[in-house]
Amino acid sequence: QKEVEQNSGPLSVPEGAIASLNCTYSDRGSQSFFWYRQYSGKSPELIMFIYSNGDKEDGRFTAQLNKASQYVSLLIRDSQPSDSATYLCAVNIYTGANSKLTFGKGITLSVRP
Amino acid sequence: DAGITQSPRHKVTETGTPVTLRCHQTENHRYMYWYRQDPGHGLRLIHYSYGVKDTDKGEVSDGYSVSRSKTEDFLLTLESATSSQTSVYFCAIGTSLDYEQYFGPGTRLTVT
Repeated sequence: QKEVEQNSGPLSVPEGAIASLNCTYSDRGSQSFFWYRQYSGKSPELIMFIYSNGDKEDGRFTAQLNKASQYVSLLIRDSQPSDSATYLCAVNIYTGANSKLTFGKGITLSVRP
Repeated sequence: DAGITQSPRHKVTETGTPVTLRCHQTENHRYMYWYRQDPGHGLRLIHYSYGVKDTDKGEVSDGYSVSRSKTEDFLLTLESATSSQTSVYFCAIGTSLDYEQYFGPGTRLTVT
């Protein structure tokens, strides 16, 4: 059973458009949600975190969390070619008494000049 | 990379040989993790540590062992490497088991 799922990609958007990346998770008790960006051949880099329902904005990035529907999204406004990367969603998932950060498989974004 | 280094960065080895990968941090974080990343599988947790000499298994621990004798160092050992262990290995650090983690630059391991 997949615990953190990201909608299939790759995703391609023109420069200047809004890119919308979605992630669903299976654990209703999850409380911490993260977005990582990974350039080809590089390591994942934390770009956003969100803990409460609603939106959280940081520059061109907005994270949206809806715990009732169990999804978290990342919006990238005014997409740039430099945003082309794989984006990983990470959610804390409980197994027994422990909660561990669990990663989705990622979605690859390509921004066309 | 948040004060995390991994060595070696690249390694080619033969099936059946032992391999040790090293992760070193300067952040004094309690938690350290080893992941492997493969196409189609994403990041998978191999082992993690929550303190000196305190370690636990992740979802893909078979064929791997770890040791942590100092806060700053976390070693991953493949006792007898197999071709299925060809992968990119990432070390990560964090202050809690279920909050943000920061990744090292990775080690590309090829087992021939």
